[in-house]
Amino acid sequence: NAGVMQNPRHLVRRRGQEARLRCSPMKGHSHVYWYRQLPEEGLKFMVYLQKENIIDESGMPKERFSAEFPKEGPSILRIQQVVRGDSAAYFCASSPPGGISSYNEQFFGPGTRLTVL
Amino acid sequence: AQSVTQLDSQVPVFEEAPVELRCNYSSSVSVYLFWYVQYPNQGLQLLLKYLSGSTLVKGINGFEAEFNKSQTSFHLRKPSVHISDTAEYFCAVSYMNTGFQKLVFGTGTRLLVSP
Repeated sequence: NAGVMQNPRHLVRRRGQEARLRCSPMKGHSHVYWYRQLPEEGLKFMVYLQKENIIDESGMPKERFSAEFPKEGPSILRIQQVVRGDSAAYFCASSPPGGISSYNEQFFGPGTRLTVL
Repeated sequence: AQSVTQLDSQVPVFEEAPVELRCNYSSSVSVYLFWYVQYPNQGLQLLLKYLSGSTLVKGINGFEAEFNKSQTSFHLRKPSVHISDTAEYFCAVSYMNTGFQKLVFGTGTRLLVSP
C-alpha cells in the first residue's frame, strides 16, 4: 500500500507565477489535510477537505490560496501570484473515513518544497 | 487560544545518554496528543500518541511519553539515545472543539546526538 504521494517534491517559481501542489492520499483515505512549514517553524494547519468538500479552511490565507479535492484525482493546493513569503514546505496528510469527533490517524506525505525567486 | 509550546529549540546529547523533550499545551477541552519525528527533507512520522487510558505511552524506536493533565504536559523521553535519533521532533495536539480533526504543532525541538 503506497503512502501519501506529493508532487512535485521541489518547485521553483518566480514572483507572480502560479504554484500547483498535488497530493494523492493513501488508498482508501477520503480525508486530506494541508499544512505549511515555514523555515525554522512548526507545521501550521491550512485546510481540511473531504471528497468534493472543504470542511475547515480556517488556516488558509484569505487571498491567493485555494484547495480542492475532486471526486476523481489528487487534491490540489493552488497558490496564485506567489510572493517570496510563500516559500515553505507544504505537507499533505490523509486519513481514513471516520465519524465526527473520532480519531483518524493522519499519515503525512514527504512534502513539496516551494521556492519563490 | 490553542497553542503548543516546545521550549527547547535544540537539545544536544551524547550517545547512550537519556533525553527528555518537553511539550506543554493550552487546553480547556479534551485533547489527543502526538509526537512526530522529521528527518531531513522528509515528511513526518508518528512516534506515539495519547488518546485515552494509561498516561504512559510507549512508541516506536524506544521512545515513550507521559500525559500529565494537571500540568498540561506531554514530555517525550528515551533512556538511551542513538546517533540515528538525530532529527527534529514535533509535539502536536488535536482538540475536541475542532472535532479532533486538525493538528496544532509546536515549533519543534532539534535533537543532536553526538558520539
